[in-house]
Amino acid sequence: SQQGEEDPQALSIQEGENATMNCSYKTSINNLQWYRQNSGRGLVHLILIRSNEREKHSGRLRVTLDTSKKSSSLLITASRAADTASYFCATDPLGGGSEKLVFGKGMKLTVNP
Amino acid sequence: EAGVVQSPRYKIIEKKQPVAFWCNPISGHNTLYWYLQNLGQGPELLIRYENEEAVDDSQLPKDRFSAERLKGVDSTLKIQPAELGDSAVYLCASSLDPQRGEQFFGPGTRLTVL
Repeated sequence: SQQGEEDPQALSIQEGENATMNCSYKTSINNLQWYRQNSGRGLVHLILIRSNEREKHSGRLRVTLDTSKKSSSLLITASRAADTASYFCATDPLGGGSEKLVFGKGMKLTVNP
Repeated sequence: EAGVVQSPRYKIIEKKQPVAFWCNPISGHNTLYWYLQNLGQGPELLIRYENEEAVDDSQLPKDRFSAERLKGVDSTLKIQPAELGDSAVYLCASSLDPQRGEQFFGPGTRLTVL
């Protein structure tokens, strides 16, 4: 079963614009992670935010977490063509052990040069 | 440092045939995961190992799927017999510190069952 659900399912923007992806989940969590997957490749970890954190930055990435709404957002600033990929949120459910991740269906981002 | 290695990258078989996938995790990573990823979906956990022990195999269809990690390093996932619905990408991942949460994924094996 998949807990997270990314929104929108697909987004197409121009290079230089910002991209925002949202993730909603159902159960309480230890942490929430975002991964990127380029076509035909494995997933690459981008950023992790813990349940007691509200915002986190890493380079051009900004993640927010609202545990009361069970939602997270990933902002990519000044997008590049190389950011074209599928993005997944993954939750570590509370009580499930810190090792178990539940992934959403993913969101396809296209950055046009 | 080498990443997670998987082989083969692609496999095409007839239904009812057996198939095996191999994974070598990042050196020193005690935790190893096998995921199934269907087209347009996120990965779904099949089995998780801590060293050589399978600590979570609740999502593994045990009638046809099996896995092993005999020496606590590399791992093999087997399907016997394969069905049409098994066509998917099989991903292997490893982690150094499960408490930290970050997992490192291999490129996956794309299985096509005809």
